[in-house]
Amino acid sequence: KAGVTQTPRYLIKTRGQQVTLSCSPISGHRSVSWYQQTPGQGLQFLFEYFSETQRNKGNFPGRFSGRQFSNSRSEMNVSTLELGDSALYLCASSPRQGSAPTYGYTFGSGTRLTVV
Amino acid sequence: AQSVTQLDSHVSVSEGTPVLLRCNYSSSYSPSLFWYVQHPNKGLQLLLKYTSAATLVKGINGFEAEFKKSETSFHLTKPSAHMSDAAEYFCVVSDQGSQGNLIFGKGTKLSVKP
Repeated sequence: KAGVTQTPRYLIKTRGQQVTLSCSPISGHRSVSWYQQTPGQGLQFLFEYFSETQRNKGNFPGRFSGRQFSNSRSEMNVSTLELGDSALYLCASSPRQGSAPTYGYTFGSGTRLTVV
Repeated sequence: AQSVTQLDSHVSVSEGTPVLLRCNYSSSYSPSLFWYVQHPNKGLQLLLKYTSAATLVKGINGFEAEFKKSETSFHLTKPSAHMSDAAEYFCVVSDQGSQGNLIFGKGTKLSVKP
């Protein structure tokens, strides 16, 4: 059974540009969540998608957005990149919305974004 | 509000000796608690989870944790450390208040000396 797949693994962008990250959940999992990991702030929740709808959102500016497709694959977009957006972005899947308390999440290996 | 405090940012042990990683949580509801491990340049792997069943939880690779409600603690232990255990460990809480999302501790980096 394939795990959570994130692409690309590494990305270098310039300030002001925008970036799109991709996540394919475990087959059969319909909930996808995104987390940002930085040395200073640790792991912080960005948003959760289920059935192509954003169900929950963390405390991030509107420059961070996402979407989910009918096959449960999800993309995350960051516009007008800032140096502080440099981070490891982790995607996690779960069978359904809000099921993390029961199942936990399965995480991908992440996309390392560097903004220069 | 939910929160997690990992009491040590760095723990160093010798191979073959016990491991103790400490975690305290705050939750207004009946929480679910998890330990995740992250090896360098890797994603997060679930070690074990507590979801209101047995208070002593056994996980992968010989790790276990005990849920103590009176102490609001969920410490992670292993009887004998192995070199491959060197990694960063995260204690995580999830409950109704967080709408099921995960609230992470700051992490404890475990070093294992030969």
